[in-house]
Amino acid sequence: QAVLTQPSSLSASPGASASLTCTLRSGISVASYRIYWYHQKPGSPPQYLLRYRSDSDKQQGSGVPSRFSGSKDASANAGILLISGLQSEDEADYYCMIWHSSAWVFGGGTKLTVL
Amino acid sequence: EVQLVQSGAEVKKPGESLKISCKGSEKSFANNWIGWVRQMPGKGLEWMGIIYPGDSDTRYSPSFQGQVTISADKSISTAYLQWSSLKASDTAMYYCARNLGYGDYQFDYWGQGTLVTVSS
Repeated sequence: QAVLTQPSSLSASPGASASLTCTLRSGISVASYRIYWYHQKPGSPPQYLLRYRSDSDKQQGSGVPSRFSGSKDASANAGILLISGLQSEDEADYYCMIWHSSAWVFGGGTKLTVL
Repeated sequence: EVQLVQSGAEVKKPGESLKISCKGSEKSFANNWIGWVRQMPGKGLEWMGIIYPGDSDTRYSPSFQGQVTISADKSISTAYLQWSSLKASDTAMYYCARNLGYGDYQFDYWGQGTLVTVSS
């Protein structure tokens, strides 16, 4: 079982909100981890969006709009990236990442379509 | 602003060697960690390894240990990723990215990527 699991795709309408999940493998508690989020547009390198462990331990990437925010769902053992006020430019692949067992581990990515 | 500029695309044959580079723009290059990330065609991101150019302390992902070599020359603010014998399965985009530490920190600045194609 992969350490991090992301839905392969998600669709949402412009102006709506999108909630992207990053589920940690059973036995790894989301409470312990900083969840990092990146997005990647076609033909471009990944861009750092934000990190979230708790409301007292979070950081927004430089220049990243506040409509991108992080949270956790402890019951689902998942990190969440919430994007509000979706814009066409938000269409991209989104990756989560954690620091686990002295290594950086990425999720498989979610392709967000805005239509 | 931090900029990482990677060397250009490469086309190689199986069995050939290759060294690609990542040049940093800032004076503090030696005091940050530079990681390498692989993205195979149509796939996700995989962390390969990381180096601290200040003293060349290097760590590898178990998946890539022994498969590649990471090095750096702090005098010219450049990190390297090299292969001694390429395989077709090494065909991928390779990114370098800055991290503030070997630990629970983000890769905050990324190079533009180097596309490596290995084909007979």
